[in-house]
Amino acid sequence: DTGVSQDPRHKITKRGQNVTFRCDPISEHNRLYWYRQTLGQGPEFLTYFQNEAQLEKSRLLSDRFSAERPKGSFSTLEIQRTEQGDSAMYLCASSLLLWGSYNEQFFGPGTRLTVL
Amino acid sequence: DAKTTQPTSMDCAEGRAANLPCNHSTISGNEYVYWYRQIHSQGPQYIIHGLKNNETNEMASLIITEDRKSSTLILPHATLRDTAVYYCIGGGIQGAQKLVFGQGTRLTINP
Repeated sequence: DTGVSQDPRHKITKRGQNVTFRCDPISEHNRLYWYRQTLGQGPEFLTYFQNEAQLEKSRLLSDRFSAERPKGSFSTLEIQRTEQGDSAMYLCASSLLLWGSYNEQFFGPGTRLTVL
Repeated sequence: DAKTTQPTSMDCAEGRAANLPCNHSTISGNEYVYWYRQIHSQGPQYIIHGLKNNETNEMASLIITEDRKSSTLILPHATLRDTAVYYCIGGGIQGAQKLVFGQGTRLTINP
């Protein structure tokens, strides 16, 4: 399968614990995005990378959240001191930046986080 | 980014055309209309996009009004697998950095 993969698919944690999610984009895609989706709502943008550079962060991304893409390939999203309000589906997407054409985003299956 | 308005839910019979409307009255001249859908328990999937001309691909057709204030996504022969939440997204230029999703339209295809 050459699509976007995310690991783990499900994570249950206790409030106050740290969690880390991984996203492997489609090979050679230079853009990688993170979104969060709560029940009944559309996905909300969190941040995106172009290669290893983090180019935009949403105000939703509090200082407890940090994302990295160290070698411009896979990315990690860490949440420190989790809160019950962090419970959501965390979606990763990737795209290939080609100027002059639409760069559709390909989404992974998501990581569902439950904070108890 | 342009704000979009979609009906909360719609039903369509299998084999019929599903027509999903979207209002985007605040869209500016260089902003595109994008459609994605999300099947239950999956990530969103790109369908189609357009600026001002009607567009068609293997999945759907997109009809944009002349004043660009609204558009309609058409699934010509809906199947049960088309049951999903459909998101109309306005804004950004071609190659937009982020997608701003609303609540979308929950389309149910009935046998």
